[in-house]
Amino acid sequence: NFMLTQPHSVSESPGKTVTISCTRSSGSIASNYVQWYQQRPGSSPTTVIYEDNQRPSGVPDRFSGSIDSSSNSASLTISGLKTEDEADYYCQSYDSSSLVFGGGTKLTVL
Amino acid sequence: EVQLVESGGGLVQPGGSLRLSCAASGFTFSSYWMHWVRQAPGKGLVWVSRINSDGSSTSYADSVKGRFTISRDNAKNTLYLQMNSLRAEDTAVYYCARALTFYYMDVWGKGTTVTVSS
Repeated sequence: NFMLTQPHSVSESPGKTVTISCTRSSGSIASNYVQWYQQRPGSSPTTVIYEDNQRPSGVPDRFSGSIDSSSNSASLTISGLKTEDEADYYCQSYDSSSLVFGGGTKLTVL
Repeated sequence: EVQLVESGGGLVQPGGSLRLSCAASGFTFSSYWMHWVRQAPGKGLVWVSRINSDGSSTSYADSVKGRFTISRDNAKNTLYLQMNSLRAEDTAVYYCARALTFYYMDVWGKGTTVTVSS
């Protein structure tokens, strides 16, 4: 099994852009799709990005995803930050039989 | 409305058992793979188990293998997680989630809380 490593926390001001990274420990980041979930305090997770860069309906285009094979990592970028974006964000990928989550990143919008 | 509602959580002593249920509504339950994911207090999401649409294939995280059993009753639109030999480290909120594909969970329940303590 591999691990997904995320920064513990990031912070940025409203209106700015923030990027959260997710680095895969072994195997290629490009070999299995990456999903990103948002979890606000006291709530269940919701999907903001699936299959590396696809947005579910209803997710604003301020949210975007990408992968970078050179750093073996995936990224979630949120532009035009709003206070409502303050939440925990988790990346997730998989292998042949199991799912793997990153440790989560707490985004503070201050 | 697509909905997943977990139940069955509670306080149990170490070594005890619990069975969690997840009632599905608003979609054709028998067409979807399902997952259980847990979250210990103040910690991140951890995948627990998955089951395919007809219940013929399952897989588990190493931490629960041999102690937990996932199953489903498509006639009752219900997913289950039988948890045996519970340990303090199993204390968590347990979420069931619908899998749009094997690897992508698009609908989550609100969770049910399991506390393992003497």
